[in-house]
Amino acid sequence: EVKLVESGGGLAQPGRSLRLSCAPSEFTLDAYAMHWVRQAPGKGPEWVAGITWNSKSIGYADSVKGRFTISRDNAKNSLYLQMDSLRTEDTAVYYCVKDIRRNYFQGLDVWGQGTTVTVSS
Amino acid sequence: DLQMTQSPSSLSASVGDRVTITCRTSQSVRNLLNWYQQKPGEAPKLLIYSTSILQSGVPSRFSGSGSGTDFTLSISSLQPEDFATYYCQQSYSIPNTFGPGTRVDIK
Repeated sequence: EVKLVESGGGLAQPGRSLRLSCAPSEFTLDAYAMHWVRQAPGKGPEWVAGITWNSKSIGYADSVKGRFTISRDNAKNSLYLQMDSLRTEDTAVYYCVKDIRRNYFQGLDVWGQGTTVTVSS
Repeated sequence: DLQMTQSPSSLSASVGDRVTITCRTSQSVRNLLNWYQQKPGEAPKLLIYSTSILQSGVPSRFSGSGSGTDFTLSISSLQPEDFATYYCQQSYSIPNTFGPGTRVDIK
């Protein structure tokens, strides 16, 4: 079964950092573009960041631009989200998501189970 | 940024009803508009991509149409497992925005 497994969530104080990781099973990451999507409690999903297979095209939501960095290591078959200068409004479940395509963004067809990030003092 | 609206925000329907949900974007997204279904406690599930292409495994009672700035998700005959929240999402420009959602519940 094609799956994505996130790790690295937890509790962080405002202004601190966390790094999320994502690893796939039953497929290789370098065949697809990848994304992070978050969902705050009781809210709809919010696209956070996306990256094409070769990292040549990267995009961010305005709410995280300059604070979050998406990256991938295809040799290690892993996707990352470095989250710096965390704010209370970053509290959410963060999903690692696979795109249908490799070199542009089209649709999000495989979602991880999500990892919870809580930002609180 | 490109803005997304959905209507209605919620609706009540019965099993067997035909349901239509509309998504509107503030600028043209060509045909790069996707639809997702989300049930409580679960991740969203891709139903339709590029306006009208049914994702593998999705029942044929789901269909999508539209172009430019106006798009529609239709469910031809609502089934008990279809009661959920539906989101549109554009993948034409960065950020790949989601709509605010339409909740479909039982009448």
